[in-house]
Amino acid sequence: GDSVTQMEGPVTLSEEAFLTINCTYTATGYPSLFWYVQYPGEGLQLLLKATKADDKGSNKGFEATYRKETTSFHLEKGSVQVSDSAVYFCALKTRQGGSEKLVFGKGTKLTVNP
Amino acid sequence: DAGVIQSPRHEVTEMGQEVTLRCKPISGHDYLFWYRQTMMRGLELLIYFNNNVPIDDSGMPEDRFSAKMPNASFSTLKIQPSEPRDSAVYFCASSEVTGKGGNQPQHFGDGTRLSIL
Repeated sequence: GDSVTQMEGPVTLSEEAFLTINCTYTATGYPSLFWYVQYPGEGLQLLLKATKADDKGSNKGFEATYRKETTSFHLEKGSVQVSDSAVYFCALKTRQGGSEKLVFGKGTKLTVNP
Repeated sequence: DAGVIQSPRHEVTEMGQEVTLRCKPISGHDYLFWYRQTMMRGLELLIYFNNNVPIDDSGMPEDRFSAKMPNASFSTLKIQPSEPRDSAVYFCASSEVTGKGGNQPQHFGDGTRLSIL
């Protein structure tokens, strides 16, 4: 079945450091890919998405590029801030059968220290 | 705009009791999802509805769990009888119809933190 694998955390960085959170997927067909972010005590929020190969999603300084050849969707940010501390989830949605199910990775906790 | 509203935010009860979690989706959204989040298993989809009809309940762990959506603005997730292993954060999410580009994001509520003693 479809699955998402993302790097295990926790990840701890200093402010202004470069961030990469790796995400790879297994899916039949051509899924849409998402990154969601969960701040403490809150639900998940969509951070960015990409719907086809070579698309780049971006938001709030975060970027991720849909790489079909490596089945990856790594999340990057050039300079993290303390306010970026959260749990980040990679997810996919397959288009087969008209399903609306999102398949999530296990999440990566990011802590940014001042 | 009001987001997805869940109640209660916290629930503590003794095992064997019935627990009812409530969700109000965003107005106009056609899909409603119930998730469970634990440290061990991460985020699991339990069930989702389209236009108030259950579409996929394959994630519901066992018969003790049931979900209903009597109308477009309300859904419940019920656990009867509850057990300590049901302790988790339960999220409700909603999204618009697929037809609008096919990739509408899911909007999550803030969750219900459930503790079964």
